[in-house]
Amino acid sequence: QQPVQSPQAVILREGEDAVINCSSSKALYSVHWYRQKHGEAPVFLMILLKGGEQKGHDKISASFNEKKQQSSLYLTASQLSYSGTYFCGTEIDNYGQNFVFGPGTRLSVLP
Amino acid sequence: DSGVTQTPKHLITATGQRVTLRCSPRSGDLSVYWYQQSLDQGLQFLIQYYNGEERAKGNILERFSAQQFPDLHSELNLSSLELGDSALYFCASSLSGAHPYEQYFGPGTRLTVT
Repeated sequence: QQPVQSPQAVILREGEDAVINCSSSKALYSVHWYRQKHGEAPVFLMILLKGGEQKGHDKISASFNEKKQQSSLYLTASQLSYSGTYFCGTEIDNYGQNFVFGPGTRLSVLP
Repeated sequence: DSGVTQTPKHLITATGQRVTLRCSPRSGDLSVYWYQQSLDQGLQFLIQYYNGEERAKGNILERFSAQQFPDLHSELNLSSLELGDSALYFCASSLSGAHPYEQYFGPGTRLTVT
């Protein structure tokens, strides 16, 4: 079951903040976040396990609300380098056999 | 550089033909995943291998098959190619096939079917 991401696309000015959401109709074991720049391969950002854990990576952080089966990716003080498509990937168990990516959110950061 | 290599980088072939895409995982990684990404589309999971065995199957067509060899490199075979098979094919690797794991993606093979 593919997760739903919102918004589909967002345009920001450098220095602005953004939130990207990922939700599922199934109970989730974990949520993964990847970023893909145009013409490049996806790059791993972070994994969140059930338990409401919040992780951070520089000015990019994420939360996971297992009760709502949703995760949010927070990008603060956006930089031009943040532009790209952000994909969440979800697992419904810890066997590594039910991993599926969402459709992606296209983020454009303008100067 | 993720450490995952894919060859060839580009492939142009005609409908009805058969092609083989190759992937070498990062050193030490036992799992290989294959994904298909059509123009401006998401990542469609095709298949996963772990230490030579098929571990998970996604939306892989019957015309497609894959295998992982004893040296852990993997090949994706696409046969009876159709125009709709034109896409970017990514391979990714991870240390294990079980959670938690992060996937490292190769640069991709762009397949164009004419």
